Amino acid sequence: GQQLNQSPQSMFIQEGEDVSMNCTSSSIFNTWLWYKQDPGEGPVLLIALYKAGELTSNGRLTAQFGITRKDSFLNISASIPSDVGIYFCAGQTYSGAGSYQLTFGKGTKLSVIP
Amino acid sequence: DTGVSQDPRHKITKRGQNVTFRCDPISEHNRLYWYRQTLGQGPEFLTYFQNEAQLEKSRLLSDRFSAERPKGSFSTLEIQRTEQGDSAMYLCASSLLNTGNTIYFGEGSWLTVV
Repeated sequence: GQQLNQSPQSMFIQEGEDVSMNCTSSSIFNTWLWYKQDPGEGPVLLIALYKAGELTSNGRLTAQFGITRKDSFLNISASIPSDVGIYFCAGQTYSGAGSYQLTFGKGTKLSVIP
Repeated sequence: DTGVSQDPRHKITKRGQNVTFRCDPISEHNRLYWYRQTLGQGPEFLTYFQNEAQLEKSRLLSDRFSAERPKGSFSTLEIQRTEQGDSAMYLCASSLLNTGNTIYFGEGSWLTVV
């Protein structure tokens, strides 16, 4: 099956620093999405990318859909304590009966040191 | 609109009992998904509905699991004869095809089987 390799698995940064994380896959995806999940909660959508090469920003977050459609990165600028959480990348494919399944990475756990 | 809502948020049950989770998707979203997430992992696809039709099931969905969406609005996920390995967070998500099929998740239902 499809797999996403998300890195790093975890990171500790100082408040105010920039953060970068990425996902790679051997498979092509039609859409890339980035979610943030707090403990005990469901994933919250941060950014959705629909076209290869697309670069999209949402406040301090910037994400890009790789040209090959097999990778994506997420950058967070000037981190703040509330950025703490687990960030998941997810690739979406149109398959089978049009199921639009999401395949998730294993997540990047971000800790921010005040 | 308050987003995808799930009920109950937490359920503790004895092994062998049946449990049922309910999901109310975002209004007018025609696609509804169930995912399962265990600790330290990303969500994994279980099943998908377009309107009231269940169009795809994952191999993760054993015979003890059944999902319904009788009127194309809310959905239920029932687990019969629960096992300890069923302990996980069960996530519901919804999307609207005509808006890029961006998938939005609910807050999840935690199941603990003792």
